[in-house]
Amino acid sequence: AQSVTQLDSQVPVFEEAPVELRCNYSSSVSVYLFWYVQYPNQGLQLLLKYLSGSTLVKGINGFEAEFNKSQTSFHLRKPSVHISDTAEYFCAVTSTGTYKYIFGTGTRLKVLA
Amino acid sequence: NAGVMQNPRHLVRRRGQEARLRCSPMKGHSHVYWYRQLPEEGLKFMVYLQKENIIDESGMPKERFSAEFPKEGPSILRIQQVVRGDSAAYFCASSPVGAESTEAFFGQGTRLTVV
Repeated sequence: AQSVTQLDSQVPVFEEAPVELRCNYSSSVSVYLFWYVQYPNQGLQLLLKYLSGSTLVKGINGFEAEFNKSQTSFHLRKPSVHISDTAEYFCAVTSTGTYKYIFGTGTRLKVLA
Repeated sequence: NAGVMQNPRHLVRRRGQEARLRCSPMKGHSHVYWYRQLPEEGLKFMVYLQKENIIDESGMPKERFSAEFPKEGPSILRIQQVVRGDSAAYFCASSPVGAESTEAFFGQGTRLTVV
């Protein structure tokens, strides 16, 4: 069975500082990995995805993530955050031939002025 | 090409009433998935439907919840006799016909509040 762990429920960070949101997964088959952002009372917006190919994936709003198969991780990073990045971030996994997305419990990023 | 459309965006129901949540998939998509997000939690799979068929409802509560995706019209998630614990955000996603589901596209969600 697949699972996703987001170790940090909340991450406070000062504006213009770098941030890393951690995501680890477990799966016995090849995976596809996603990061979504959810602003308060909004829907899910896809930030970036890893399907295959380069393990460094660049997404919208200056975010990037690196797929590390040996460590079963897909951490999200941004070199310099803005106040507007304050939101909840979800990591999700699925795999070939399955339709279910398994979501982590989310990390609440709070950017401080 | 419009995205996945869900309505209403917000729904308030009194305990014991029925809630109907609608989802129109992206154009050309005939696979629909419903997820539920309880407060302070991630999204959890509820049900997977194709046109006129329920493929997998393993995540649906056994009672009061039902889903359909008719030949014409949107997919409907129906909750009968709502209780406070049904308060959550319900998200719909869709994917294309015949495609391996490497990516599903999510709607904006319906936030159900039971008072």
